[in-house]
Amino acid sequence: DGGITQSPKYLFRKEGQNVTLSCEQNLNHDAMYWYRQDPGQGLRLIYYSQIVNDFQKGDIAEGYSVSREKKESFPLTVTSAQKNPTAFYLCASSITGASNQPQHFGDGTRLSIL
Amino acid sequence: AQKVTQAQTEISVVEKEDVTLDCVYETRDTTYYLFWYKQPPSGELVFLIRRNSFDEQNEISGRYSWNFQKSTSSFNFTITASQVVDSAVYFCALSEANSNSGYALNFGKGTSLLVTP
Repeated sequence: DGGITQSPKYLFRKEGQNVTLSCEQNLNHDAMYWYRQDPGQGLRLIYYSQIVNDFQKGDIAEGYSVSREKKESFPLTVTSAQKNPTAFYLCASSITGASNQPQHFGDGTRLSIL
Repeated sequence: AQKVTQAQTEISVVEKEDVTLDCVYETRDTTYYLFWYKQPPSGELVFLIRRNSFDEQNEISGRYSWNFQKSTSSFNFTITASQVVDSAVYFCALSEANSNSGYALNFGKGTSLLVTP
């Protein structure tokens, strides 16, 4: 089945540690996105990529980093500089980065601090 | 500034009741797109509908209907004869053609709908 796979489903981070969240899609979509969701809040954009080897900061990029070396993969690293990383992280993709394209989401990764 | 406002934080209804989820948006673009997503307890966001700024026709899909009114900048979502499986958080989102954020979605804070038997 085509879709977006996020792993792991749950992740725990120790103080000072970097952790990487995986996002893989087999939809052949050009654009990919990372959002953060806090309780009672909407989704906020962390990073987005409209094409391979290119990505842009979103509204809350500080303390995060990404790469887009392959079309199907868009991993997110939560660095130790992110002081409040506990949240639900959602990866999405769309056929292109055009504004009319619906985004399709993965199941999410829940990150907590140990 | 919040571009999408969902004023209803939580709604609780009894099965078979009709329920309307409100969405008010703000944009200066003449070309934009509005979306509704459903987030069940499993966490994944499920795309429900897209509406473009040039098409104010209302849409019905089974028990779901959407009322888009540019005059009031609203895009409301009605579930008719609600069912327990409709329990979820529903998000309204806006995408602007001239956005600085690469057409990423601007989400409202969501409305949590609980349908009880």
